Amino acid sequence: EVHLVESGGGLVKPGGSLRLSCAASGISVGAAYINWVRQAPGKGLEWVGRIEDKADGGTSNYATPVKGRFTISRDDASNTVYLTLSSLTTDDTAMYYCSAGYWSSDWGPGTQVTVSS
Amino acid sequence: DIQLTQSPSFLSASIGDRVTLTCRASQAISNYLLWFQQKPGKAPKLLIFGATTLQSGVPSRFGGSASGTEFTLTITSLQPEDFATYYCQQIKTYPLTFGGGTKVDIK
Repeated sequence: EVHLVESGGGLVKPGGSLRLSCAASGISVGAAYINWVRQAPGKGLEWVGRIEDKADGGTSNYATPVKGRFTISRDDASNTVYLTLSSLTTDDTAMYYCSAGYWSSDWGPGTQVTVSS
Repeated sequence: DIQLTQSPSFLSASIGDRVTLTCRASQAISNYLLWFQQKPGKAPKLLIFGATTLQSGVPSRFGGSASGTEFTLTITSLQPEDFATYYCQQIKTYPLTFGGGTKVDIK
């Protein structure tokens, strides 16, 4: 059974940075597509980015609003995928979820990021 | 970017009703379309992948269909646990995109 847990969220000032973690069990993050999706309060789902599995090249792709500011990476030893957020604005305030699989079949419970002065 | 337009945005229905939700893509995405269900305070749950294939464990009252750039999610007999918000997502082309969602509420 696949199990994902996000962590690292919190309160950060505009312009600040944060690193979110997505710890996985039941799958190898190097052999899986891992997505990051966010949801601002009272709003819909917004795709943030994805890292492909190594067999398909292992590349990362990002949504336009976060390109150049957010970076997805992975650590095979700890079986964890990271989302590094920088140059944060209040528009980045949201619940951040990671999901696993090409079809996003498994999700974590999310971690809250609040950007406020 | 590929835009997904979901309609209606809000739907009020009764237990036992048949409901149909629509997702229209701004360009061809073949069958690279997912449907998710989300309840308040919870992570989304995958219902349908490949536009028409039911995810394991999802009740058979859920079904997906496709015609060109129009996709539908049908619930044949609405149950109390089905009141939620439903999202479509295209995974054909980066950046991946979600529709705005359809909230299904109790009449």
